Amino acid sequence: EIVLTQSPATLSLSPGERATLSCRASQSVSSYLAWYQQRPGQAPRLLIYDASNRATGIPARFSGSGSGTDFTLTISSLEPEDFAVYYCQQRSDWPFTFGPGTKVDIK
Amino acid sequence: EVQLVESGGGLVQPGGSLRLSCAASGFTFSNFWMSWVRQAPGKGLEWVANIKQDGSEKYYVDSVKGRFTISRDNAKNSLYLQMNSLRAEDTAVYYCARRASPIDYWGQGTLVTVSS
Repeated sequence: EIVLTQSPATLSLSPGERATLSCRASQSVSSYLAWYQQRPGQAPRLLIYDASNRATGIPARFSGSGSGTDFTLTISSLEPEDFAVYYCQQRSDWPFTFGPGTKVDIK
Repeated sequence: EVQLVESGGGLVQPGGSLRLSCAASGFTFSNFWMSWVRQAPGKGLEWVANIKQDGSEKYYVDSVKGRFTISRDNAKNSLYLQMNSLRAEDTAVYYCARRASPIDYWGQGTLVTVSS
């Protein structure tokens, strides 16, 4: 099973600041990595797929990069609605796995 | 508008069974892989199972193999998860999801609580 590790566990930032979230895979997943946002009490929402492609309707302030084992989600300037938990997920091999999540909270 | 509406969750005793259903609308259900993903209270996401468009391929996470069965009825635009021999660690919100990966639409989830 491919294990995904996310860092940091919590990121405390202010609105307008840049957020950089990391996801590392235990073996190469090529570019088969997605990012999801989950706000409290809501279902997850797809942000990025295949490492760097924004999903439909996702603002340009969200960007993804990386390949192989190291990936990054960047939020260029945090909006109030961006404070949430972010999960990475691989589809290189079954079982598809999620990372443990990074919580972005308000400083 | 794509909609996925889960039902069938509730409180069940350890060793019991439940059948979850997901009613899909707003898209051609038979064209998509479908999935179940769960989230234990206060925890992260875990893929449970997925099923190909025609039901010919199914995949399960090891922890539910032999206990859970995913199925679909394309004529009824519905996805199902039959859960047997339930354990306390199966307690979670179960999400119905469109596609195997990446998931582009999620239902709002149904809570399954396994407790005596």
